[in-house]
Amino acid sequence: KNQVEQSPQSLIILEGKNCTLQCNYTVSPFSNLRWYKQDTGRGPVSLTIMTFSENTKSNGRYTATLDADTKQSSLHITASQLSDSASYICVVSDMEYGNKLVFGAGTILRVKS
Amino acid sequence: NAGVMQNPRHLVRRRGQEARLRCSPMKGHSHVYWYRQLPEEGLKFMVYLQKENIIDESGMPKERFSAEFPKEGPSILRIQQVVRGDSAAYFCASSNGQGNRPQHFGDGTRLSIL
Repeated sequence: KNQVEQSPQSLIILEGKNCTLQCNYTVSPFSNLRWYKQDTGRGPVSLTIMTFSENTKSNGRYTATLDADTKQSSLHITASQLSDSASYICVVSDMEYGNKLVFGAGTILRVKS
Repeated sequence: NAGVMQNPRHLVRRRGQEARLRCSPMKGHSHVYWYRQLPEEGLKFMVYLQKENIIDESGMPKERFSAEFPKEGPSILRIQQVVRGDSAAYFCASSNGQGNRPQHFGDGTRLSIL
């Protein structure tokens, strides 16, 4: 079983709309949770990094939340743009294994006009 | 470009040949990580290196795969006697430390085995 599960697998929204992507993880203990954006054919780009004591972190139109008790995180995108079309990856740092990063499979977001 | 540089971007090899993937970390970064991504799957950790040292190679197959990060020059991921199952995107990331430091990724090398 994957230790980091993301939902939905894919999502299509209209330009200007908001959306929320979900991440559930079983990695424990963990030192931080990260969200990355990966454009097709490119490497992942960091959006946010939250330690286990942080509940929310924003980066422009991206806002990540973290509930360490329920082991859930979400990434909220406001006023979506066509350039937001990408895969969004939830990543958890596994403290038990030298802070190794454990990646989710990603949510593929498509923003259409 | 001060980012992580990987080359080649695309590499085609026949079964049994060797593949060498190169990664130049961001300036000032001495920590390098290699990941493999199969279609429809998340990235999987392979190996973590600091200059001249392999720190963690627990994600790397014991046979045919090796990695190095010499004092001078890029980090190299080497795959000997490639097989079809080695076809994947291989990503390199670098950081200036462990813990909560961000890892900056290159754009990957897409390896295709004929």
